[in-house]
Amino acid sequence: GAVVSQHPSRVICKSGTSVKIECRSLDFQATTMFWYRQFPKQSLMLMATSNEGSKATYEQGVEKDKFLINHASLTLSTLTVTSAHPEDSSFYICSASRAGRNQPQHFGDGTRLSIL
Amino acid sequence: ELKVEQNPLFLSMQEGKNYTIYCNYSTTSDRLYWYRQDPGKSLESLFVLLSNGAVKQEGRLMASLDTKARLSTLHITAAVHDLSATYFCAVDRGSQGNLIFGKGTKLSVKP
Repeated sequence: GAVVSQHPSRVICKSGTSVKIECRSLDFQATTMFWYRQFPKQSLMLMATSNEGSKATYEQGVEKDKFLINHASLTLSTLTVTSAHPEDSSFYICSASRAGRNQPQHFGDGTRLSIL
Repeated sequence: ELKVEQNPLFLSMQEGKNYTIYCNYSTTSDRLYWYRQDPGKSLESLFVLLSNGAVKQEGRLMASLDTKARLSTLHITAAVHDLSATYFCAVDRGSQGNLIFGKGTKLSVKP
């Protein structure tokens, strides 16, 4: 199988706090990792794509200084929401894929972020 | 810009009935995915469709792909309550495997 672990599963914190979310591929090497955001009753929106050892590629409208992505190893990517505000409250989901054109994405269980 | 449209967005159906969810996309792609999401949970992969005419079936669900029409369908046969969930289609944008998701179809199967 291909298991992706995301941690924490839920975070509640005060406005202005920075929050780090981890995404780990447990049994495979993830060349590429993706970060999505899902607001209530909406679809998943791709935020950024990261390749191991490279800078992340952000989608239009996503602030790279607000959402810091690090993909330092083939099994770990982190998303840091800096100075979070209530409008950043959302469900954040990561996915990971192996190298190669036809490799599927394997999704983590998601992190529910609530900013008070 | 690749756009993915799903319909219907909401579907309430009785157990035992059949129905089809449609997924249209705006530009050429040779890779389409169907996912299931239960409330508060992440995505469960259902099908990967890689070529024109591809048809895959798992239990009461069957997915097909027509790349010429840029259309995929997810057919539900003899629905049961356990199928209640939100179903998303997603299309590979073609660079690095980036996926663009439809808005989802919230399916509610009632006894």
